[in-house]
Amino acid sequence: AQSVTQPDIHITVSEGASLELRCNYSYGATPYLFWYVQSPGQGLQLLLKYFSGDTLVQGIKGFEAEFKRSQSSFNLRKPSVHWSDAAEYFCAVVNDNTDKLIFGTGTRLQVFP
Amino acid sequence: DAGVIQSPRHEVTEMGQEVTLRCKPISGHNSLFWYRQTMMRGLELLIYFNNNVPIDDSGMPEDRFSAKMPNASFSTLKIQPSEPRDSAVYFCASSLSAEAFFGQGTRLTVV
Repeated sequence: AQSVTQPDIHITVSEGASLELRCNYSYGATPYLFWYVQSPGQGLQLLLKYFSGDTLVQGIKGFEAEFKRSQSSFNLRKPSVHWSDAAEYFCAVVNDNTDKLIFGTGTRLQVFP
Repeated sequence: DAGVIQSPRHEVTEMGQEVTLRCKPISGHNSLFWYRQTMMRGLELLIYFNNNVPIDDSGMPEDRFSAKMPNASFSTLKIQPSEPRDSAVYFCASSLSAEAFFGQGTRLTVV
């Protein structure tokens, strides 16, 4: 069965610093991969997605992610973090035979001024 | 489109009572998901529907939980009887072509 691993439970960065959140997936074929963000008390908002094609995908709010098949990874990056980026970030995978969306455990991002 | 609409936003109920959570998916979406989010267990997929048909309910914790989707524009998640350990935020999401959009969630507290 497919699964998603986010090894970092909590990350703290200074405002203006670069950010990379890790995500590894377990799936035999090429997966559909997603990053979602959840602010406190809110639902999940889609940041970006990868279905096929260019392995570097751009998302909203200045985020990007790179699909690396050899490493089974889909890490999220941002060159300069803003205080408003403090939230919880979830990586997710979909089995292309169904629409079943499976989430990782999330990474909580804290941003210091 | 107004997005995925869930009601109520907050629900406080006594143990043993029946609770019904409601969801209106985005028009035109053909898949609908119910998730439960807790600090201990994170985001758990409870059940998902495709074209109004339940496809996978393996995440439904026990028989006290049931979900229906009588038409393409409405779904319910019912807990009967409710227990304190059911306290969580319940999210509904809908999707078309694998891209899911989430509602704001229902925060359920069972006392």
